[in-house]
Amino acid sequence: EDQVTQSPEALRLQEGESSSLNCSYTVSGLRGLFWYRQDPGKGPEFLFTLYSAGEEKEKERLKATLTKKESFLHITAPKPEDSATYLCAVQARNSGNTPLVFGKGTRLSVIA
Amino acid sequence: EAQVTQNPRYLITVTGKKLTVTCSQNMNHEYMSWYRQDPGLGLRQIYYSMNVEVTDKGDVPEGYKVSRKEKRNFPLILESPSPNQTSLYFCASSPWTARGNTEAFFGQGTRLTVV
Repeated sequence: EDQVTQSPEALRLQEGESSSLNCSYTVSGLRGLFWYRQDPGKGPEFLFTLYSAGEEKEKERLKATLTKKESFLHITAPKPEDSATYLCAVQARNSGNTPLVFGKGTRLSVIA
Repeated sequence: EAQVTQNPRYLITVTGKKLTVTCSQNMNHEYMSWYRQDPGLGLRQIYYSMNVEVTDKGDVPEGYKVSRKEKRNFPLILESPSPNQTSLYFCASSPWTARGNTEAFFGQGTRLTVV
């Protein structure tokens, strides 16, 4: 069974204090790993897709990396507006259709 | 503007009264899906559709139905709602490429309460 585990569940940072969020996954062949940001009461907002180990993607203060067992979302010099829940999801490679499996998320609070 | 539109945003209903939550996207995406989000459980996929007339069960399909008669619409049907279906529901759409799903666009959510 495909599984995604995110850690920590919650993270509190001071403004400018860099850190990383972890997404560990088990999947029967990875088709893609996705990172989303979700603000309270809103739908998730797409950040990145990673397809193979060693791949990295960046967007402003965020950088996502991928290995064969986990992905990291690095946040450099965060600002209060980066406060949100960050979700990781995987999709297995299969001959047919496969659903997306989400982790429970990491709730990030950045304090000014 | 590219968007996924869900209606209604809020709904309170009684046990057993059939309801439909509509979802429409204007991006000509092939892939559409429904999720429910519950505290402590995260987002769980209910149903998904690869294209018109093609639907598949996700992780928690029991008590739900879907249809995909047109590419842009993917309604979620609860034939006989029960209190354990009280949740926050999201519809999403994304292009389907040779690499599978790419960027998914989510609707604003429908908060359903079944009493």
